[in-house]
Amino acid sequence: GAGVSQTPSNKVTEKGKYVELRCDPISGHTALYWYRQSLGQGPEFLIYFQGTGAADDSGLPNDRFFAVRPEGSVSTLKIQRTERGDSAVYLCASSPDGGGQETQYFGPGTRLLVL
Amino acid sequence: EDQVTQSPEALRLQEGESSSLNCSYTVSGLRGLFWYRQDPGKGPEFLFTLYSAGEEKEKERLKATLTKKESFLHITAPKPEDSATYLCAVQAGGFQKLVFGTGTRLLVSP
Repeated sequence: GAGVSQTPSNKVTEKGKYVELRCDPISGHTALYWYRQSLGQGPEFLIYFQGTGAADDSGLPNDRFFAVRPEGSVSTLKIQRTERGDSAVYLCASSPDGGGQETQYFGPGTRLLVL
Repeated sequence: EDQVTQSPEALRLQEGESSSLNCSYTVSGLRGLFWYRQDPGKGPEFLFTLYSAGEEKEKERLKATLTKKESFLHITAPKPEDSATYLCAVQAGGFQKLVFGTGTRLLVSP
């Protein structure tokens, strides 16, 4: 596809469960970013990958959150022992190579609801 | 800590009524200021990047300007389809991450 895609589009889970959110970046983009957006707020940075490695994970709120990008393309954001406060829209973005002041292109997001 | 503040939080305009949205920022070493548009239930859509004070960019009814402390998004003769949330973000220092403001919700009535 031409843009960033994310699956699932919606996810409902129960408190304490484990969830995985997937991101497919724009083809050829080596830089990938995860953000979280709560209602009425702007996106908040979580983690940035350059290729397969996490170049900046300073935004991950705690050790329940983890993200991987094993082959430098698709990324998975993993949340363990979900809490109601984790409910938000999780946005993924990609850019060509993470250098300079590149534009980040966003996907449609995954809406996570923790009951 | 880098901070971005957008005002107003919400703005209601009549079709054709021009106005401006404000984005003020406090950062160490601005590398770029980005404007995005976000429609309900969708991801942010890129509009503009500004790199240095005095720079201006235009696209249809939108014009973005940048000073050393703030950026403005001017909307000329808006149409109902311009209704959306407009987000401002900065990239600063040695970091690739974007720091966003909380956005301005714009509603244009016919």
